[in-house]
Amino acid sequence: QQQVKQSPQSLIVQKGGISIINCAYENTAFDYFPWYQQFPGKGPALLIAIRPDVSEKKEGRFTISFNKSAKQFSLHIMDSQPGDSATYFCAPINTGNQFYFGTGTSLTVIP
Amino acid sequence: EAQVTQNPRYLITVTGKKLTVTCSQNMNHEYMSWYRQDPGLGLRQIYYSMNVEVTDKGDVPEGYKVSRKEKRNFPLILESPSPNQTSLYFCASSLYPSGMDTEAFFGQGTRLTVV
Repeated sequence: QQQVKQSPQSLIVQKGGISIINCAYENTAFDYFPWYQQFPGKGPALLIAIRPDVSEKKEGRFTISFNKSAKQFSLHIMDSQPGDSATYFCAPINTGNQFYFGTGTSLTVIP
Repeated sequence: EAQVTQNPRYLITVTGKKLTVTCSQNMNHEYMSWYRQDPGLGLRQIYYSMNVEVTDKGDVPEGYKVSRKEKRNFPLILESPSPNQTSLYFCASSLYPSGMDTEAFFGQGTRLTVV
């Protein structure tokens, strides 16, 4: 069963632009909402995460927006840089169970 | 240094020849899991383990086996590999998934080709 739907599959953004990646989920038992970043040849690594009791979290150029009623959360990358080119995964967690990874978004930032 | 170590990084094998991919973590994590990554399909969980001697199937367990005899090790076994198991494999570990602040740590990946 597909519990997490991530979009878009790929994204090309000009340097300095805003990158937006979306994640929709079905399981209302999810209680932690992280995003992972994966560079070519590397394993994914935690980028930023949000708890369900807040609607937004910002860390530098990266922001998560969370809409509990719509069961969606998104990653915004402000002032996108070529070094942000990577694959991004949403991975909501269901306490005591497992991670559910989205299908990934390949981001390319053009200089 | 906290890390998850997978070996080998690259492996080419023939159909039907049993192989094992090792995974070891030094963070005393209870939870370990295996994923395969394929273009357009993202990360799909193969098996996971909540603790020693406790394992369970993920989304795509067919053709794979695992064991968890020690807390730090979680090998992935392909008893009779087939070409459709050609993929990029990742091992991950974390504290028990308790929701808030749970972070998964991934290994460097194993690129497997079955011919």
